[in-house]
Amino acid sequence: GAVVSQHPSRVICKSGTSVKIECRSLDFQATTMFWYRQFPKQSLMLMATSNEGSKATYEQGVEKDKFLINHASLTLSTLTVTSAHPEDSSFYICSARLAGGPDGELFFGEGSRLTVL
Amino acid sequence: AQSVTQPDIHITVSEGASLELRCNYSYGATPYLFWYVQSPGQGLQLLLKYFSGDTLVQGIKGFEAEFKRSQSSFNLRKPSVHWSDAAEYFCAVGTSYGKLTFGQGTILTVHP
Repeated sequence: GAVVSQHPSRVICKSGTSVKIECRSLDFQATTMFWYRQFPKQSLMLMATSNEGSKATYEQGVEKDKFLINHASLTLSTLTVTSAHPEDSSFYICSARLAGGPDGELFFGEGSRLTVL
Repeated sequence: AQSVTQPDIHITVSEGASLELRCNYSYGATPYLFWYVQSPGQGLQLLLKYFSGDTLVQGIKGFEAEFKRSQSSFNLRKPSVHWSDAAEYFCAVGTSYGKLTFGQGTILTVHP
């Protein structure tokens, strides 16, 4: 089956630094990827929709200058948390839509746990 | 705006017992409905989805869900729970495009 890989799976950084998380579709092309964040013991909240070759669409309340999303190729989207602060500590999960696939055919990555000290 | 409610935050069942996890949704059009399972610290695995057609949907691991439009519900069921089913379960509603709104999740504990 289709695989979505996220890297790193865990990252710890100091406050004020930037962290990049990669989301790769390993064996399929994904024209669209979605980024979610999940706080402890809470649900997943959609942050943004990433389309290959165009600017990401952010959900209301998500700071696009803080969470930079780049979808440079059909297999890779990156989320950069800029000037990270402890409140950005969360579990970030991406999902990828299979290009030309059936409606709603989504595949989720394993998630990346960010801890900001 | 679309929304999903999972009324039960935590459910405990005995191994071998039947299971039903509730999910109610609000959506302006024909919903695309999903159930996902998440083990601690892991990503999401799709159990089943409903787009159209037969309102009783069969999924992996012996799970099924029934879409009831009149009740705006999409409850997940399993006739006999296994200890390995212990996890958190999320119901989601979304578009065919893939933009999903998730419920709050239900944590399932299975007693031996």
